[in-house]
Amino acid sequence: AQSVTQLDSQVPVFEEAPVELRCNYSSSVSVYLFWYVQYPNQGLQLLLKYLSGSTLVKGINGFEAEFNKSQTSFHLRKPSVHISDTAEYFCAVSEGGNEKLTFGTGTRLTIIP
Amino acid sequence: GAVVSQHPSWVICKSGTSVKIECRSLDFQATTMFWYRQFPKQSLMLMATSNEGSKATYEQGVEKDKFLINHASLTLSTLTVTSAHPEDSSFYICSATLAVAGNYGYTFGSGTRLTVV
Repeated sequence: AQSVTQLDSQVPVFEEAPVELRCNYSSSVSVYLFWYVQYPNQGLQLLLKYLSGSTLVKGINGFEAEFNKSQTSFHLRKPSVHISDTAEYFCAVSEGGNEKLTFGTGTRLTIIP
Repeated sequence: GAVVSQHPSWVICKSGTSVKIECRSLDFQATTMFWYRQFPKQSLMLMATSNEGSKATYEQGVEKDKFLINHASLTLSTLTVTSAHPEDSSFYICSATLAVAGNYGYTFGSGTRLTVV
């Protein structure tokens, strides 16, 4: 069975500083990896995804993530955060096809002015 | 892009009544839809997987007689919370898979905040 671990439940960061949100996964087969952002009382918006190919994936709003198969990680990074990045971030994994997404517990990113 | 429309966005109902939540894929055919539940400050927990024209597959611990899922067409899936109680108050989100020309992903509805009083 697949699982996702987001070790940091909360990450406070000063505005314009860089940030890294960590995600590790486990699965017995090849996986697809996703990062989503959720603003209060809203659904999930896709930031980026890794399906295959280049391990460095660029997404929306200046975010990027790197797939590391040997470390089973898919950490999310942004070089300079803004107040508007304050939200909950979820890492998720699926085993492809019409398989379900399994989510991590989420990381609340708080930007400090 | 692919859009999933979820309604209502919020609903308040009395204990013992039933509530129906709809999810429609607006510009694509969703053969598979997923229903999630999210408690405050927690992650999304999969409730069931819904395939068009067949019975939904429920995750362990989810009461299928309480959470009725219907996926009668390729563009519509519904979740009915029957005989709702305050402990059913939660944020419910649907999601559809989309695989087009080698691209693959999940599109989420905007969620429904259910409050049972």
